[in-house]
Amino acid sequence: AQTVTQSQPEMSVQEAETVTLSCTYDTSESDYYLFWYKQPPSRQMILVIRQEAYKQQNATENRFSVNFQKAAKSFSLKISDSQLGDAAMYFCAYRSSSNYKLTFGKGTLLTVNP
Amino acid sequence: SQTIHQWPATLVQPVGSPLSLECTVEGTSNPNLYWYRQAAGRGLQLLFYSVGIGQISSEVPQNLSASRPQDRQFILSSKKLLLSDSGFYLCAWSAFPNSGNTIYFGEGSWLTVV
Repeated sequence: AQTVTQSQPEMSVQEAETVTLSCTYDTSESDYYLFWYKQPPSRQMILVIRQEAYKQQNATENRFSVNFQKAAKSFSLKISDSQLGDAAMYFCAYRSSSNYKLTFGKGTLLTVNP
Repeated sequence: SQTIHQWPATLVQPVGSPLSLECTVEGTSNPNLYWYRQAAGRGLQLLFYSVGIGQISSEVPQNLSASRPQDRQFILSSKKLLLSDSGFYLCAWSAFPNSGNTIYFGEGSWLTVV
């Protein structure tokens, strides 16, 4: 079964600085998708960024980028120029191309200090 | 654009009472629909998913059930709630066909069983 591990329960960053959140996953499949979701205090899950495993190029969405290392099964999220609004719980998630299920890690709580 | 709504946002129910959480999606046809639960301090757990009207798959055996009476309507129910049913419930959707499509979440419903 696929598993997703986020080894950092909590992280903090100064406003305008850069922070990297870690995620590793375990799978025997070659075709899959990886996601980072943000859950602010409102609790709604918001998609931050998505990566297709067949793409070598790392995904980027404005201040958010990933470092996807397929061989190492690593999928970290980098947040540049951190803003107070980035404070939230961040979840890494995995989805096989042959399965409906989205498997989540346990999350990393990010605090942004002014 | 597609939107997803679920209600009620907050619910306090006594043990043994019934439950009905509703979710609707607008702006798309034949979506895949999901119910997730998030217990305190944990990631999300997939409860049910549906690929079409009347087609429900259960991921976790429990006293909850789901129904899809219309294409864009998904209902989570229970005949008799347990204390352990307390949590945050999220409805979600993804476009058809399923492979790799991003899953988008509703605003969530807080359920407290007392």
